[in-house]
Amino acid sequence: QVQLQESGPGLVKPSQTLSLTCTVFGGSISSGYYYWSWIRQPVGKGLEWLGRMSATESTNYNPSLKSRLTISVDTSKNQFSLKLTSVTAADTAVYYCARRIYGGDGFDIWGQGTMVTVSS
Amino acid sequence: SYMLTQPPSVSVAPGQTASITCGANNIGRKHVQWYQQKPGQAPVLVVYDDRDRPSGIPERFTGSNSGNTATLTISRVEAGDEADYYCQVWDSKGDVLYVFGTGTKVTVL
Repeated sequence: QVQLQESGPGLVKPSQTLSLTCTVFGGSISSGYYYWSWIRQPVGKGLEWLGRMSATESTNYNPSLKSRLTISVDTSKNQFSLKLTSVTAADTAVYYCARRIYGGDGFDIWGQGTMVTVSS
Repeated sequence: SYMLTQPPSVSVAPGQTASITCGANNIGRKHVQWYQQKPGQAPVLVVYDDRDRPSGIPERFTGSNSGNTATLTISRVEAGDEADYYCQVWDSKGDVLYVFGTGTKVTVL
């Protein structure tokens, strides 16, 4: 059973870079069947897709964040990462990593989420 | 970008049926997913590709999609079904590839 786990600092100062890692357990991130995404949710609000990467390391980003967001992979550690630059209070949210379901358009496996607060 | 509209809240008595709608232009031409999210937890996929259920999801959860409206129906509602529900589509021609609905809070009376 594949599991995902996010990790990273819970507090980031404004204008700095938010860095999170998602570790894949029980499966290989290099499998060509899947896409790996980051999704966030401000407290009390809805879900927002941020970006994704494939096993071949091709990426797609939400245009609202594209200039600040980078998603990358470290296959040796079975991890993929998010870097969001120049953060503001509006980036405060629970950040989830998720796997796109094989052959489908949804997300079948999610990490438990990690809360990130942007504050000085 | 593509927008999915859901009612903010739905209330239902135990044992009754809850219907949650997700509206958008020609949503019937896309595949719709539904997620259940309980407080403090990650979303859980309950329906994908309009009407399919992942393993472990009860048959009480059914989906449909046609025209401008997709619907998640929860039959024989239980107290444990109280949660937020989100629809989601893949917009292959849009700037935002994965679009989520605004969310519906289901309250079991």
